[in-house]
Amino acid sequence: GQQVMQIPQYQHVQEGEDFTTYCNSSTTLSNIQWYKQRPGGHPVFLIQLVKSGEVKKQKRLTFQFGEAKKNSSLHITATQTTDVGTYFCAGSNAGNMLTFGGGTRLMVKP
Amino acid sequence: GAGVSQSPSNKVTEKGKDVELRCDPISGHTALYWYRQSLGQGLEFLIYFQGNSAPDKSGLPSDRFSAERTGGSVSTLTIQRTQQEDSAVYLCASSPGPLTDTQYFGPGTRLTVL
Repeated sequence: GQQVMQIPQYQHVQEGEDFTTYCNSSTTLSNIQWYKQRPGGHPVFLIQLVKSGEVKKQKRLTFQFGEAKKNSSLHITATQTTDVGTYFCAGSNAGNMLTFGGGTRLMVKP
Repeated sequence: GAGVSQSPSNKVTEKGKDVELRCDPISGHTALYWYRQSLGQGLEFLIYFQGNSAPDKSGLPSDRFSAERTGGSVSTLTIQRTQQEDSAVYLCASSPGPLTDTQYFGPGTRLTVL
């Protein structure tokens, strides 16, 4: 079945440094979504990408969908302590249910 | 309601007891999902419903786990003869329709089995 993998599993950064998490699928995806889970909270939808090579920005967050639609990345510029949490990607193909990656836990040292 | 709600928020039970976890999805959402998340881990898919039917039960860890959904709305996840390894946060999510839709998560039920 479809598998979605994320790296790294954990990332410690100093406040102000950049951060990137990568998402790779074993199959071509029709869309990819990103979610953020704050410590003690539940996953919250951030964004969806559907087009090959698509890039979307939300303030300091930049999301990219690969040309082959098998990978995606989330880049945070100049991290802040409010960025702390676990970032999940989730992809689907051909109308199948979203498959979540294992998540990347981001820790930011002030 | 404004969002997905789950009850109870916390449940402490003794090993061997049965527990029922409830999920109220967003009104009008036809798809409903159950996940399990152990401390510091990712989302483990358990089961999903499209309307009242559950086409995919492959994620249920054992036959001690069952779920139902009635009236296309509320869902109950039942764990029989709980074991310590069942301790986790159980998250429910709903989406408007197609399985590819954005999922809206509830706050979860933290289950502790002593």
